[in-house]
Amino acid sequence: GAGVSQSPRYKVTKRGQDVALRCDPISGHVSLYWYRQALGQGPEFLTYFNYEAQQDKSGLPNDRFSAERPEGSISTLTIQRTEQRDSAMYRCASSLKGQDVAEAFFGQGTRLTVV
Amino acid sequence: DQQVKQNSPSLSVQEGRISILNCDYTNSMFDYFLWYKKYPAEGPTFLISISSIKDKNEDGRFTVFLNKSAKHLSLHIVPSQPGDSAVYFCAASHSSNTGKLIFGQGTTLQVKP
Repeated sequence: GAGVSQSPRYKVTKRGQDVALRCDPISGHVSLYWYRQALGQGPEFLTYFNYEAQQDKSGLPNDRFSAERPEGSISTLTIQRTEQRDSAMYRCASSLKGQDVAEAFFGQGTRLTVV
Repeated sequence: DQQVKQNSPSLSVQEGRISILNCDYTNSMFDYFLWYKKYPAEGPTFLISISSIKDKNEDGRFTVFLNKSAKHLSLHIVPSQPGDSAVYFCAASHSSNTGKLIFGQGTTLQVKP
């Protein structure tokens, strides 16, 4: 596709359920980033990958959050046993060069609501 | 602990005038700074950046100024246009880990015709 694609665009889930958020980066992009954004706040770093290698996961809030990019393309962010505080916009971005976040393109995001 | 702060949630400017958006940071290890622009229902898009070896970077109507001693940066838009109305985020990173950006809370700019 032309840009970074995230699915689903909206997800409503019950507390305690697991969710998987998908990011399809721009073809050929080396780096992939996950951020989350609460209402009225700036994006908050979660993790990023160069190819399939997870370079930094220091932003993942706790062990309920995990991410993978097994083939260096599509990535999945998984949240286990969701809690209401997990509700936010989850944004993915990708860049052609490694760790070149200035040239990263952001997707439209997945709006997660935990009820 | 908010390492990057944008203390003005909103700013309203008349078309043709200058818009000045401000950003402060606390971590002296940051050496690369960026501004992003975000329209409703879209992801943020990169606007302009500056490294700590410079104090000014200009790109058309957009200029970013960096004051390292004050840990302060600003984005100037001259002249402002109605299409500039958006949320502006400043962000910072360290060269040892350029994949990780720390964002401010954002400032909503409204440019009135």
